[in-house]
Amino acid sequence: AQSVAQPEDQVNVAEGNPLTVKCTYSVSGNPYLFWYVQYPNRGLQFLLKYITGDNLVKGSYGFEAEFNKSQTSFHLKKPSALVSDSALYFCAVRAPYSGAGSYQLTFGKGTKLSVIP
Amino acid sequence: EPEVTQTPSHQVTQMGQEVILRCVPISNHLYFYWYRQILGQKVEFLVSFYNNEISEKSEIFDDQFSVERPDGSNFTLKIRSTKLEDSAMYFCASSDPRGVDTQYFGPGTRLTVL
Repeated sequence: AQSVAQPEDQVNVAEGNPLTVKCTYSVSGNPYLFWYVQYPNRGLQFLLKYITGDNLVKGSYGFEAEFNKSQTSFHLKKPSALVSDSALYFCAVRAPYSGAGSYQLTFGKGTKLSVIP
Repeated sequence: EPEVTQTPSHQVTQMGQEVILRCVPISNHLYFYWYRQILGQKVEFLVSFYNNEISEKSEIFDDQFSVERPDGSNFTLKIRSTKLEDSAMYFCASSDPRGVDTQYFGPGTRLTVL
């Protein structure tokens, strides 16, 4: 069974400082990894994904994430936080394509990011 | 930019009533999904749908739930007899065969069962 852990319920960071939101995963085979962001009363917005290739992936709004296979981690990062980045961030994992149509995403419980002006 | 839409945004119903939640996936997408998020909890997978049939479902998706693609644009989730514990935010998502790895989510329908 696949699983995702987001060890921090909340991350506080000052505006302009770098931010990191942590995620570790467990899945059979090579993982498909995703980050989504949820603003209040809104749906889940796709930020970025890792499927294969370069371990550092870049996504929307200046976010990036680093895939580390040995540590089974996929931490979300941004060099300089903005107040508008304050939201709920979800990490998700999916098993690799198997032809069996199993594409369900397994989500972590989410991390609330607060960027302080 | 194309997006997934869902209606209604909020549905209030009495326990035991049937509800239908509606979704319009992105137009060229062929894979469709429903997820739910009980307040304060994780987003959980319910069901995936491809080629007019369920391709995968979770243990949450019991006989009270059904999905349908009644026409070329809508994708619906029906809960036959709602329970209090069905109160949650329900998200529809879609993906296309080429980008089958990325699921795009709608804004959600908040279901409140009284």
